[in-house]
Amino acid sequence: EIVLTQSPGTLSLSPGERATLSCRASQSVSSTSLAWYQQKPGQAPRLLIYAASSRATGIPDRFSGSGSGTDFTLTISRLEPEDFAVYYCQQYGTSVLYIFGQGTKLEIK
Amino acid sequence: DVQLLESGGGLVQPGGSLRLSCAASGFTFNNYAMSWVRQAPGKGLEWVSSISDTGGRTHYADSVKGRFIISRDSSKNTLNLQMNSLRGEDTAVYYCAKKYSDRFPCLEYWGQGALVTVSS
Repeated sequence: EIVLTQSPGTLSLSPGERATLSCRASQSVSSTSLAWYQQKPGQAPRLLIYAASSRATGIPDRFSGSGSGTDFTLTISRLEPEDFAVYYCQQYGTSVLYIFGQGTKLEIK
Repeated sequence: DVQLLESGGGLVQPGGSLRLSCAASGFTFNNYAMSWVRQAPGKGLEWVSSISDTGGRTHYADSVKGRFIISRDSSKNTLNLQMNSLRGEDTAVYYCAKKYSDRFPCLEYWGQGALVTVSS
């Protein structure tokens, strides 16, 4: 089964800075099945990006996704205070239907 | 607006059973596959189970296969998860979630979660 590895584990940045989060798959995956979620403490995950690069409904355009094959990136162009959270990538599998990465914690520096 | 509201969580002893429900509204429930995803305290997200739009196909993580049963009631727009033979490692917040589409297989909307604690 595919394994998703996210890096870094923790990213410390300041508001206004640019954040680049990585998600690497153990084998080539379909871009249409790659998604990103944001989770804040005590809240449910929220879909940010689907099909690797399409923003979900209501997601600000400072969030963007890119990549293909085994390497995918979530970029937050200019961090707002509300963006500090944990981010997960996800791939749709076969036996394990929803495969999640271990998460990247984006914290305020 | 899409709403998913879980209920049925609580404290249960090891070996016991619990039934979670998820009341769905704001979309045509019968048209979408649904899933359960859990999150153990301080840990990441783990997919548990999914059911097709018609209910005819179900899928389970190996960790719960043979112990959990997913079902849906189209007359009540409700998703269920019957959890049997519960173990300490099943302690988690359980989220129900709606699939975006077959073309874009991700989880578009999530409920607020139901906490299940397995402990003696």
